[in-house]
Amino acid sequence: EIVLTQSPGTLSLSPGERATLSCRASESVSGSYLAWYQQKPGQAPRLLIYGASSRATGIPDRFSGSGSGTDFTLTISRLEPEDFAVYYCQQYGSSSSWTFGQGTKVEIK
Amino acid sequence: EVQLVQSGAEVKKPGESLKISCKASGYSFTDYWIGWVRQMPGKGLEWMGLIYPGDSDTTYSPSFQGQVSISADNSISTAYLQWSSLKASDTAIYYCARRGSGGWPLDYWGQGTLVTVSS
Repeated sequence: EIVLTQSPGTLSLSPGERATLSCRASESVSGSYLAWYQQKPGQAPRLLIYGASSRATGIPDRFSGSGSGTDFTLTISRLEPEDFAVYYCQQYGSSSSWTFGQGTKVEIK
Repeated sequence: EVQLVQSGAEVKKPGESLKISCKASGYSFTDYWIGWVRQMPGKGLEWMGLIYPGDSDTTYSPSFQGQVSISADNSISTAYLQWSSLKASDTAIYYCARRGSGGWPLDYWGQGTLVTVSS
C-alpha cells in the first residue's frame, strides 16, 4: 500500500499570501494518478486537482498542482477567505488500493 | 445535475447490523464506479472500497476487507455500505462518491451519513 505523507500539518497564512502544500508518496504513483481535495468543516470533500496537475470543473485558476513520481505539490497562488480549509492528497493509481494523505490544515494567521 | 443523496444519521448499539444507502441521479448509474470513504471524528479521510454497478465488480481496501460489504441495486440507482456486527470504532461519517470517467478520482460526493455506535 502506498503511504502518502503531507506537510506541513498546519499552515498559518494571511489572505492574499501564497500557500504551498506537499504530498510525498512512499513509492512512485503510477500515471501521476494523484488528486487533491478541499474539505471545509461540516462539508463533504471537493475535488480540486486530478492527474497531479489538471483542475477539476469549476476550480479557480489560483489552484495549481504539480509533481510526479513520489513528490507532489498543491499551490494556492493568492489565498482567498474561502480557501481556509483542510486539504488532502489521494493516490488512485491502483483501483485495488487507493490511499489518502493525513491532510494539511490551512488556517488564518 | 449529478447528485448523490445519502441516507440519514444512524444510532446503533455494538453488535447490531446496519445498511446505509447512496442514491444517485443525473447520470447513468451503471457506467461509473462508486466509492465509500470513512472519516472518524476529527480525523482524515480513509478509502474503504469501490463498486462498479455495471457488473457489480467490487474492490476493498485491505483495512476494510471482511469488515464491511459494498453492494448496489441498479433498479433504483442506489449503492449500499453494510455492516453485520457494528463496533464502537465504526463511529464515523461515511461518504459515498462517484469515480469520474477516464480514470478520474472521486468527482461528486454525497453529503455523508453519520453513524454512531454506542451502548
